[in-house]
Amino acid sequence: EAEVAQSPRYKITEKSQAVAFWCDPISGHATLYWYRQILGQGPELLVQFQDESVVDDSQLPKDRFSAERLKGVDSTLKIQPAELGDSAMYLCASSPRGLHGTQYFGPGTRLLVL
Amino acid sequence: DQQVKQNSPSLSVQEGRISILNCDYTNSMFDYFLWYKKYPAEGPTFLISISSIKDKNEDGRFTVFLNKSAKHLSLHIVPSQPGDSAVYFCAASKSGSGNTGKLIFGQGTTLQVKP
Repeated sequence: EAEVAQSPRYKITEKSQAVAFWCDPISGHATLYWYRQILGQGPELLVQFQDESVVDDSQLPKDRFSAERLKGVDSTLKIQPAELGDSAMYLCASSPRGLHGTQYFGPGTRLLVL
Repeated sequence: DQQVKQNSPSLSVQEGRISILNCDYTNSMFDYFLWYKKYPAEGPTFLISISSIKDKNEDGRFTVFLNKSAKHLSLHIVPSQPGDSAVYFCAASKSGSGNTGKLIFGQGTTLQVKP
């Protein structure tokens, strides 16, 4: 069964350092999402891509976060500089062509900022 | 403002009994609803969904009920099994032109099924 791949699974960094997360969606899925989940809360959308174009980045802290999906396949989410409050689970999801429907999640990257 | 709410942080049921997880929403424009299950250190796994044109959808032991007038949905698991112990999230989205289909999640309910 096809799955969304993410790496790394865990990342520990010091504040002010740069971190990057990678996501490879299910093959053929045109829509890719990055979510952030803080412990005890539900996932919140950071950025959404349709192919290589950003559809929604209204909740992305653009002063420190950036995301790209250059060839419309895999994607990278970067934080620079990391802050203590960025400690969370970062989840990637994908869905088939079309902006509506079921989203399939990867295993996530657990980030701890010290 | 929390547009999707799961007011029960936790629920404990006996194996074999019914588990009922509840979710309320405030935005009447939501027309597609999903339930996800999440184990620790893993990503959410899709369970079941329902469109607003229906009031019930069933898949094996899982049934989702939608009450549009009350802006309420519930997930029934019958019979509950110890392997169902996890955090359950409900999520909602809006379809139609101009909407991106992004999911708005509730805070989650931790279900514990006791053997």
